[in-house]
Amino acid sequence: GQNIDQPTEMTATEGAIVQINCTYQTSGFNGLFWYQQHAGEAPTFLSYNVLDGLEEKGRFSSFLSRSKGYSYLLLKELQMKDSASYLCAANTDKLIFGTGTRLQVFP
Amino acid sequence: GAGVSQTPSNKVTEKGKYVELRCDPISGHTALYWYRQSLGQGPEFLIYFQGTGAADDSGLPNDRFFAVRPEGSVSTLKIQRTERGDSAVYLCASSLTGTSGGVDEQFFGPGTRLTVL
Repeated sequence: GQNIDQPTEMTATEGAIVQINCTYQTSGFNGLFWYQQHAGEAPTFLSYNVLDGLEEKGRFSSFLSRSKGYSYLLLKELQMKDSASYLCAANTDKLIFGTGTRLQVFP
Repeated sequence: GAGVSQTPSNKVTEKGKYVELRCDPISGHTALYWYRQSLGQGPEFLIYFQGTGAADDSGLPNDRFFAVRPEGSVSTLKIQRTERGDSAVYLCASSLTGTSGGVDEQFFGPGTRLTVL
């Protein structure tokens, strides 16, 4: 079966660091995507991890452990505009999305 | 075009009616995907086109749903005998090649919000 788990909601304050976890169990796996989705808008690409380890891209970093079926998205120096849903998606020749984590950033 | 476009942005219809949702992918992208997203959920895969052919239609919920891409560019998702449970945002995405195993980012359109009364 295909299963992607991530927390439903998280809150954090401006300037802080937040880590959004994602675990996956899929038949077939090529890599792990993270997308950001603001309310009423289309998902936009943040990162794609194929190999184990941490990939850093500005304020956002993403980590993958294939042996543990685990990934996280790390957001640093949070800004109000980071309030959005963050979608974890496993690439199994098609994308299997989690339900998304709704992040609210407070001043 | 500059990005993926979808029309209409909103569609309200009555139970039992037929609807068509259109997607214009990024020019030159060979792969096109349709997803359905219900409130508070992630996108759910429906169908994937590589060129003109449906490479994977395993996500279509039943035979009321059908999609075409006759010239390998624009795609239309067709829903017959709509039901209230079909209400959702229908997202279209395109990517350059659609090949797995590599970074082939999918670019999403703004979606069509379908409401079945």
